[in-house]
Amino acid sequence: DTAVSQTPKYLVTQMGNDKSIKCEQNLGHDTMYWYKQDSKKFLKIMFSYNNKELIINETVPNRFSPKSPDKAHLNLHINSLELGDSAVYFCASSQGQGGTEAFFGQGTRLTVV
Amino acid sequence: AQTVTQSQPEMSVQEAETVTLSCTYDTSESDYYLFWYKQPPSRQMILVIRQEAYKQQNATENRFSVNFQKAAKSFSLKISDSQLGDAAMYFCAYRGYRDDKIIFGKGTRLHILP
Repeated sequence: DTAVSQTPKYLVTQMGNDKSIKCEQNLGHDTMYWYKQDSKKFLKIMFSYNNKELIINETVPNRFSPKSPDKAHLNLHINSLELGDSAVYFCASSQGQGGTEAFFGQGTRLTVV
Repeated sequence: AQTVTQSQPEMSVQEAETVTLSCTYDTSESDYYLFWYKQPPSRQMILVIRQEAYKQQNATENRFSVNFQKAAKSFSLKISDSQLGDAAMYFCAYRGYRDDKIIFGKGTRLHILP
């Protein structure tokens, strides 16, 4: 049973396109995240949702729009893709305040050409 | 704002030897968690070890142990009897007790020499 699953694992697309990455967790956690890992392997938080509500938005361009239909799902939609959006995007989940570690999905490698 | 610093971008160790990865952090909080995550070439993020700041005892998980120095804000990872499968990026991470996010250091790439 996969705890945090995200799809697709790989995504290659042209500049200007719109794409979505889906994420689901079956751990019963109330907090979900999107992290971006750049080419230098630096992991930076993009968004945090708690019980479907946006808690953290770390100055991400508004071309990125997360959506949480329920607390087990957090999807990421990206409009007008740019070359600089190429990265690995990780979904993760944890318990909220007082919770400990985050559990990560396997990542989505997005390549914009 | 909290920060996590890993000063060693890369390290190498001979198989079966012991290696220590360094991490320092900055926070004004007194309650928090610290973690080491491993990212092998498969890119999956794997939790290696967790330390609660209120616990004085250093966490241990099999061949992995930490040296947690709260006053010095230092949290190093020791890997004993290094194995080829330990080769990976290792990330030190911090989470405040009331925080909704985990902050990561820039990582240390560990090479295991056969």
